[in-house]
Order: sequence, then C-alpha cells, then structure tokens
Amino acid sequence: EPEVTQTPSHQVTQMGQEVILRCVPISNHLYFYWYRQILGQKVEFLVSFYNNEISEKSEIFDDQFSVERPDGSNFTLKIRSTKLEDSAMYFCASRKDRVLTDTQYFGPGTRLTVL
Amino acid sequence: TQLLEQSPQFLSIQEGENLTVYCNSSSVFSSLQWYRQEPGEGPVLLVTVVTGGEVKKLKRLTFQFGDARKDSSLHITAAQPGDTGLYLCAGVRNQGGKLIFGQGTELSVKP
Repeated sequence: EPEVTQTPSHQVTQMGQEVILRCVPISNHLYFYWYRQILGQKVEFLVSFYNNEISEKSEIFDDQFSVERPDGSNFTLKIRSTKLEDSAMYFCASRKDRVLTDTQYFGPGTRLTVL
Repeated sequence: TQLLEQSPQFLSIQEGENLTVYCNSSSVFSSLQWYRQEPGEGPVLLVTVVTGGEVKKLKRLTFQFGDARKDSSLHITAAQPGDTGLYLCAGVRNQGGKLIFGQGTELSVKP
C-alpha cells in the first residue's frame, strides 16, 4: 500500500541553524500539508500546498518557514533560523482529491530538536 | 478561532468496559475524521464521517456525526488492551482541506 515517507526521522540542530525536512507524498496525490505537534500539545496545521503554490498557511508559518516541491516527488519544509520553540514532531500529509471527504495520509513524522 | 474540544483527555479503564470519547465544536464541519496515533508515529485514519447523523462501525468502534455536523463521538464496546493509544478527532471546513485537530484522548485499557 502506498505511504507517505519522511526523512530524517530525527533531526537535532543548534538554534539559529537552517533545517530542511523532507517528505515524499503518495505519488498520485495533489494536495500536500505540513503539521506540527509540540510535545504534549495538539496537532497544528502549518501550511497546505496545491498546484505548486501555498493555498493556505497558519499564523505559525511565518517568514522563517518555506515549502517547496522541487522535483515533482519531494515536498520540503525549510526553517531558516531555528528557535528553541520549533522543537516538535513535524508531519507531512497528502491528499489525492479535491473532495473534502478525501483522506489525508500522514507520514511517520520528523522529530526536530533545537538545542 | 476554530476549535474542536475533545473529552476526556485521559481515560483509564478495565478490559471489557465500554467508553465514549466526545468531540465538540461551535463550528460546522464538512467532514470529521478520527485518527489513532501511536507514540513516535503519525496519525492513522480510522474513519471519516460526512453526513449529519451518520453512524459508522469499525468492529467494536462506533463513530457518530452529530445532526448539525458540529460534534462527533467514538464509542468502543468491550475495550481490549490493544485499544490503548491516543485517539484524535479532526475536522475539515474549507476546500483547502486543512485539518483542525482536537487535543486527543489518551486511552489506557488495563487487562
């Protein structure tokens, strides 16, 4: 069964460093998402991406964040200058269809630790 | 702010007992999804409910969407230790499909 994959599974970085989190969505999916989950808190929406552009972003997704689909298969989240409070699990998700009831499939997540 | 209030946050029961988890909002959702999340992993979809009043069953799990599409419940019959985990509800409102998650219910079923 096709699945969303994410790399790395765990990333440790120093405050102020740039990180790139990578995702490979399911191949025929059209909608892509990033969510994050700070330890002990709820899963929060960061950004949605469709047709090679951001379709919606949350207040969390400020100028330090960017997303890209560089080659038609990978979907990346870049944090330019990490802060301590960026430490969280980051989940990528993809959805095939425009139908709102269509399932979003989540990857296993990347645990980002900012020291 | 679009909120989904999920309750209870923690639930510890004995094997064989029944339980219900609630997900409530003042907003109408196009659909509502229930996920289960294991530690260190991403959420895995259990079910999607779309129509007001809809009831779906998945073995011992029964999911219901409120008539007004503002609330949902998950009922587990005769819980087993294998049901232990974090259960999340998440609603969709707009065409972009972003999910708005509840806080989650941490369920522990003791043998």
